[in-house]
Amino acid sequence: GQNIDQPTEMTATEGAIVQINCTYQTSGFYGLSWYQQHDGGAPTFLSYNALDGLEETGRFSSFLSRSKGYSYLLLKELQMKDSASYLCAVMDSNYQLIWGAGTKLIIKP
Amino acid sequence: DARVTQTPRHKVTEMGQEVTMRCQPILGHNTVFWYRQTMMQGLELLAYFRNRAPLDDSGMPKDRFSAEMPDATLATLKIQPSEPRDSAVYFCASGLTLGGDLTDTQYFGPGTRLTVL
Repeated sequence: GQNIDQPTEMTATEGAIVQINCTYQTSGFYGLSWYQQHDGGAPTFLSYNALDGLEETGRFSSFLSRSKGYSYLLLKELQMKDSASYLCAVMDSNYQLIWGAGTKLIIKP
Repeated sequence: DARVTQTPRHKVTEMGQEVTMRCQPILGHNTVFWYRQTMMQGLELLAYFRNRAPLDDSGMPKDRFSAEMPDATLATLKIQPSEPRDSAVYFCASGLTLGGDLTDTQYFGPGTRLTVL
């Protein structure tokens, strides 16, 4: 079956670094995306990894290990506006995006 | 500033009524997705279209839901008759798929918050 696991909730301090993990088991794999969703808002695209390694975009980085079925999103220099849910999504062999339930990140001053 | 638009933003209706939600994808995008999001189920894919052709609607309850793209600038999702369990936020997203490439980025609309009493 298809399965994507993320922690339900995480708490971090403003200015710090946080790592949000995602593990997956899917029928085939083409790539993994991370999306950010603020309360009451729509998901917005953050990053996409198709190959192993680290992709960096500003304060955010995303890492992928295909052999381990594992990814993480790293957020540096946390700001209060980073408080949101972070969704991991895997594109399977049917070209479908399979979504994780999301990790709610709470940033404290 | 190109973005996906959805109407209505909020809809409250009574059980048994028909509900129609509309989506205008980003101009030039050829792939359109309909999602439903609830606290319990998270984000669920209902249907998607590529070049206006329905590719997959297996996530959609066929007896009451229908999705169409009458033209490249409009996608619709209809529920008839609506039930309280349909209460959720319905998102439309669009993307660009070229040749054999996959749509790796989806751009979401603001969603329609549906409440069925």
